[in-house]
Amino acid sequence: QKEVEQDPGPLSVPEGAIVSLNCTYSNSAFQYFMWYRQYSRKGPELLMYTYSSGNKEDGRFTAQVDKSSKYISLFIRDSQPSDSATYLCAMSATGGTSYGKLTFGQGTILTVHP
Amino acid sequence: DTAVSQTPKYLVTQMGNDKSIKCEQNLGHDTMYWYKQDSKKFLKIMFSYNNKELIINETVPNRFSPKSPDKAHLNLHINSLELGDSAVYFCASSPFIGNQPQHFGDGTRLSIL
Repeated sequence: QKEVEQDPGPLSVPEGAIVSLNCTYSNSAFQYFMWYRQYSRKGPELLMYTYSSGNKEDGRFTAQVDKSSKYISLFIRDSQPSDSATYLCAMSATGGTSYGKLTFGQGTILTVHP
Repeated sequence: DTAVSQTPKYLVTQMGNDKSIKCEQNLGHDTMYWYKQDSKKFLKIMFSYNNKELIINETVPNRFSPKSPDKAHLNLHINSLELGDSAVYFCASSPFIGNQPQHFGDGTRLSIL
């Protein structure tokens, strides 16, 4: 079983829709949670960075962390065609074998069509 | 100015050859990383250097040897290339070792014939 599971999709939505992307994880030592966006033939670009449980909002993006359920989400409001990309969740721990490195989900491919 | 830059962007070579990939960051970060992304887009860490010192060395074949001449540069040398080495290799950096977000380059696409 992978430490981080992410539904690969693909996910196709109309412009203006609310998108929900999710990851589950098994390592209870994970404390830091990130979402990256990766366009085709580009490197991952950091979108959101959160510590422990709670919500964080940045423009049209909201990240949620539920440590009790080992579940994180990224919501995209008013989705745009320019949001079409692969979205990767990533996590790291404060100690142990996962310290200092990011453990990624396999990415969800999102297409927003006009 | 690109924050994390990798060269070359594309590398096509034959099985058995030796090749190097270079990475440079101008963010003033102390820590640099190499990741491998396979054909299913799964990103996995290979190595991490903090201020020129090897910190993380995952279970990577010893044909892969990283080198950090200074904290702004991290290179990856691969000996005796195999078909399974075909992937995209990403360099990343963060301010220091720990739980900081990492900034990625645009990758080097390695294809083995």
